[in-house]
Amino acid sequence: TQLLEQSPQFLSIQEGENLTVYCNSSSVFSSLQWYRQEPGEGPVLLVTVVTGGEVKKLKRLTFQFGDARKDSSLHITAAQTGDTGLYLCAGADTGFQKLVFGTGTRLLVSP
Amino acid sequence: GAVVSQHPSRVICKSGTSVKIECRSLDFQATTMFWYRQFPKQSLMLMATSNEGSKATYEQGVEKDKFLINHASLTLSTLTVTSAHPEDSSFYICSAPLPQGETQYFGPGTRLLVL
Repeated sequence: TQLLEQSPQFLSIQEGENLTVYCNSSSVFSSLQWYRQEPGEGPVLLVTVVTGGEVKKLKRLTFQFGDARKDSSLHITAAQTGDTGLYLCAGADTGFQKLVFGTGTRLLVSP
Repeated sequence: GAVVSQHPSRVICKSGTSVKIECRSLDFQATTMFWYRQFPKQSLMLMATSNEGSKATYEQGVEKDKFLINHASLTLSTLTVTSAHPEDSSFYICSAPLPQGETQYFGPGTRLLVL
């Protein structure tokens, strides 16, 4: 069974701080995706990383895929209250379709 | 952009009754859709893969006779929770990948409460 462990589970920070969320597995994935989920809604895709060592930036968010394609990180610079939510990583075997979701990181950014 | 809808958004039912949840891809065709369950403060757990024109594939530990899946068309998959019990109360989310496979869109979820 493939497992994706995220750390930390919960993070409470002040606006303007930086943070990093980690997503680790013992399994290799063909791709890894990061989602953000608001309460009572479905997850929204933030990014897909495919190549080992790949780094993608989305405004204040930086995503990295590990060289061995087993782990990933999400770094947020100068967090804003709008970044509050549940961050989920999800690994895919082939075809980007069947996803295994990570355990989740709940982020709370206070003004 | 591509949108996936779910209906109903929330439902309350009595124990022992059946509940049907619909998942629709609104502007693209999806031969495959996925059904997830999410308990409070937890992550998404894949329940089953819905395949248009063939039987659904269930994940280990998910009862296929309790969670009936029908992929009626290229834009509609339904999940029926049969003989619902309070422990089935959860947030049910579907997703559908675009035909080219790289991007997957998630529905807004259906919150089920079984009394």
